[in-house]
Amino acid sequence: GQQVMQIPQYQHVQEGEDFTTYCNSSTTLSNIQWYKQRPGGHPVFLIQLVKSGEVKKQKRLTFQFGEAKKNSSLHITATQTTDVGTYFCAGDFGNEKLTFGTGTRLTIIP
Amino acid sequence: NAGVMQNPRHLVRRRGQEARLRCSPMKGHSHVYWYRQLPEEGLKFMVYLQKENIIDESGMPKERFSAEFPKEGPSILRIQQVVRGDSAAYFCASSAVATNEKLFFGSGTQLSVL
Repeated sequence: GQQVMQIPQYQHVQEGEDFTTYCNSSTTLSNIQWYKQRPGGHPVFLIQLVKSGEVKKQKRLTFQFGEAKKNSSLHITATQTTDVGTYFCAGDFGNEKLTFGTGTRLTIIP
Repeated sequence: NAGVMQNPRHLVRRRGQEARLRCSPMKGHSHVYWYRQLPEEGLKFMVYLQKENIIDESGMPKERFSAEFPKEGPSILRIQQVVRGDSAAYFCASSAVATNEKLFFGSGTQLSVL
């Protein structure tokens, strides 16, 4: 079936270090979206990538969509305590629903 | 401009009872999605509805679970004869069009089955 795998499952970093989470799909995606869920909270939309090879930046966050539109990554530069949470990618296979990855839970060591 | 409203936030049921979860989408949104999340896990798609229509219910168990989105009023996710395995956070999300647009999530309903 259509699945979206995400690694790593957990990531602990010192404050100020960089962080990256990777997302892989079994098949080509129409688009991919990224969400952040704070502990005890609900998912909040971060960004959508549509084009092959697309790169988008939001302050310290850099999002990439692979050339084959099967993988994506989120990179955070110089993490801060406010970055704590679980980051989910969500793939659109063109079937009118988003398939969420398993998420990467980021914890920051002050 | 109110966001996606879900109620109740917390719901406790005993085994065999019924659970009704409500979701009012953002104003102007006609697409509603229900997702289930177990602790430390991702979001599992359950059902996608538009006004008065179920578009995709492939993620919803065929027994005991049902969903509706009437012409008037909120979307309802109904779980009959709940079992302990139904304990989870249930999130509703809405969008203005189909999933090529971003989803707005509600705060979720935490269902606990005793």
